Amino acid sequence: EAQVTQNPRYLITVTGKKLTVTCSQNMNHEYMSWYRQDPGLGLRQIYYSMNVEVTDKGDVPEGYKVSRKEKRNFPLILESPSPNQTSLYFCASGSLWGGETQYFGPGTRLLVL
Amino acid sequence: QKEVEQNSGPLSVPEGAIASLNCTYSDRGSQSFFWYRQYSGKSPELIMFIYSNGDKEDGRFTAQLNKASQYVSLLIRDSQPSDSATYLCAPTANDYKLSFGAGTTVTVRA
Repeated sequence: EAQVTQNPRYLITVTGKKLTVTCSQNMNHEYMSWYRQDPGLGLRQIYYSMNVEVTDKGDVPEGYKVSRKEKRNFPLILESPSPNQTSLYFCASGSLWGGETQYFGPGTRLLVL
Repeated sequence: QKEVEQNSGPLSVPEGAIASLNCTYSDRGSQSFFWYRQYSGKSPELIMFIYSNGDKEDGRFTAQLNKASQYVSLLIRDSQPSDSATYLCAPTANDYKLSFGAGTTVTVRA
């Protein structure tokens, strides 16, 4: 089954404790992206990657890191989480040869205390 | 940052009626336009995309695009309770940077 998976789905942590949210896709997509969704603000792009070892900032990259060492994986790293990073996070992937259609993972709900 | 404005909700329509959702965007370079549906607590799923001016129909959904007016809309005909969700408008300038609107929540009354 073609899908984008994220782990964990729910996470409660404390300020300053490094965490990683994993994202994996099995569709051989070149493009992968991370979004955060907050009430009233909609979905905002954090980082994206056009291919292995190619990443770039989205609209709200502060406080986040990403890496793309393998085509299928695109982890999101919060080196020192803060309460304003409490949000719902989505990973998405898409093919560069199939238009701009993106497929979203199930989401990770993060609470930073 | 590219701005995408959607009509404020929630939009409440009776079952069987037409739900009309509007979206305006600021980036004149936008070439592709996507409509995503998002059920509460779930991830967005693509329901329509449109590239050319005019109308595009897919089942009960019709997307309308007017690039000169920087306006895209989505009509849901014969609305069903299962259409109750938040609808997200997402224009892109072919650079894979989707800019999402805040969404319009639709409630279909049985």
